[in-house]
Amino acid sequence: KQEVTQIPAALSVPEGENLVLNCSFTDSAIYNLQWFRQDPGKGLTSLLLIQSSQREQTSGRLNASLDKSSGRSTLYIAASQPGDSATYLCAVKDAGNNRKLIWGLGTSLAVNP
Amino acid sequence: EAQVTQNPRYLITVTGKKLTVTCSQNMNHEYMSWYRQDPGLGLRQIYYSMNVEVTDKGDVPEGYKVSRKEKRNFPLILESPSPNQTSLYFCASSLRPQQGYGYTFGSGTRLTVV
Repeated sequence: KQEVTQIPAALSVPEGENLVLNCSFTDSAIYNLQWFRQDPGKGLTSLLLIQSSQREQTSGRLNASLDKSSGRSTLYIAASQPGDSATYLCAVKDAGNNRKLIWGLGTSLAVNP
Repeated sequence: EAQVTQNPRYLITVTGKKLTVTCSQNMNHEYMSWYRQDPGLGLRQIYYSMNVEVTDKGDVPEGYKVSRKEKRNFPLILESPSPNQTSLYFCASSLRPQQGYGYTFGSGTRLTVV
C-alpha cells in the first residue's frame, strides 16, 4: 500500500533563504506526483505536476524534482518570501490506481520578515 | 477563468438535517471527486466520478451520497449529518487522470455539525 510522508511537519525560516521541502513515497510505481499549496482555511492551489517520466519541473522560484527509484520528491523554493508561508502538500497518483491521489500530511512553512 | 466552484464556503448545521454541498467545474473535465480533510489524517477521498452517471466509493464513503447527472456538477449530499462529519471538504476535477492530467481543487467548504 502506497504511503506518502512529508518531513519536516513544520519549518520556520527567515525571509530570503532558499529551502527544500521533502516528500517520500513507499512504492516507486507512480503515475505522477503533484505539489500543492494550501493557505489557512482555504483551498488547494496546484503548484507543479511531475509525470513519472520526468525528473523535474520549474515554475518561477519553485523547482520540483522527482527520483522514482529512491521514492523521493523535493520542492525547492528560492529566495523565500513571507507570502510563501502556507502548508505544502504532495500527492502521488499510483500507477496501479489511477483514480485517486495519495496524500502526505504536509509541511507547514512560515517565512519570517 | 477555469475553476472549480464549491458552495457554500461555510456551513453550520444540526445533526440529522439533510444538506447538499454543490460543486461545479467549467473546464469540461471528465473526472470529479470529493475529499475531506481532518487534522492528523490528511485528505481522504469520499467519492469520485469518472464521467456522467458513473460514480464510485472512495476511502470514506459512509454517510455521504453523490450524483453526476451533468458533466459540470458533482454535488455531495449528507442525508443525516452527524458531528463526526464536521470537516473541511474539497471538490476536485481532472480532465483524465488516467492519462496523467493534474487536478484542480475548489476553495473548500468548512462544515460544522452540532
